[in-house]
Amino acid sequence: AQSVTQLDSQVPVFEEAPVELRCNYSSSVSVYLFWYVQYPNQGLQLLLKYLSGSTLVKGINGFEAEFNKSQTSFHLRKPSVHISDTAEYFCAVFRWDNFNKFYFGSGTKLNVKP
Amino acid sequence: DVKVTQSSRYLVKRTGEKVFLECVQDMDHENMFWYRQDPGLGLRLIYFSYDVKMKEKGDIPEGYSVSREKKERFSLILESASTNQTSMYLCASRLRDRSNQPQHFGDGTRLSIL
Repeated sequence: AQSVTQLDSQVPVFEEAPVELRCNYSSSVSVYLFWYVQYPNQGLQLLLKYLSGSTLVKGINGFEAEFNKSQTSFHLRKPSVHISDTAEYFCAVFRWDNFNKFYFGSGTKLNVKP
Repeated sequence: DVKVTQSSRYLVKRTGEKVFLECVQDMDHENMFWYRQDPGLGLRLIYFSYDVKMKEKGDIPEGYSVSREKKERFSLILESASTNQTSMYLCASRLRDRSNQPQHFGDGTRLSIL
């Protein structure tokens, strides 16, 4: 069965510090990978996606993520966070062999402190 | 930009009522989805539809049904609401099957069943 693991349910960090949010997935087939952000009382907004090609992908708001096939990971990073980055972040996996289904991690709450 | 609109941001209903949650997208997307989001559990797929009048069960369909009579509209129905259906409900749409397109989300409906 497909699983998407976000090991950290909460990540506290000070403003202007770097951050990494971890995502690991289990799959023996090709996948597409996504990171979404959810601000309080809103839906999910796409941050970035990995489809193919370069393993380092850049998204909105200064975030980037690196696909590591051997470690089946897709960690999200930002070199310097802002208060406005406080939100919940979800990793998602789409598998080609499973008709139309996205698998979501349980989310990581990023709390940026002044 | 894709716009996914959920008819209500907040909804309060009573146990046993029949509840309708509506979702409309404006980009002629073929695929539409209903999720519920609960703390610590991430997003769980209730139902999805890959075309008009087509529907597939997700991971937690019990107690729910759906309707897709028009391409742009996907309705979630709670046949007889119960308190354990109190949750945040998210609607999403996607261009078409087996593509690398991400899902686009509405702002969510926070449903309380009393």
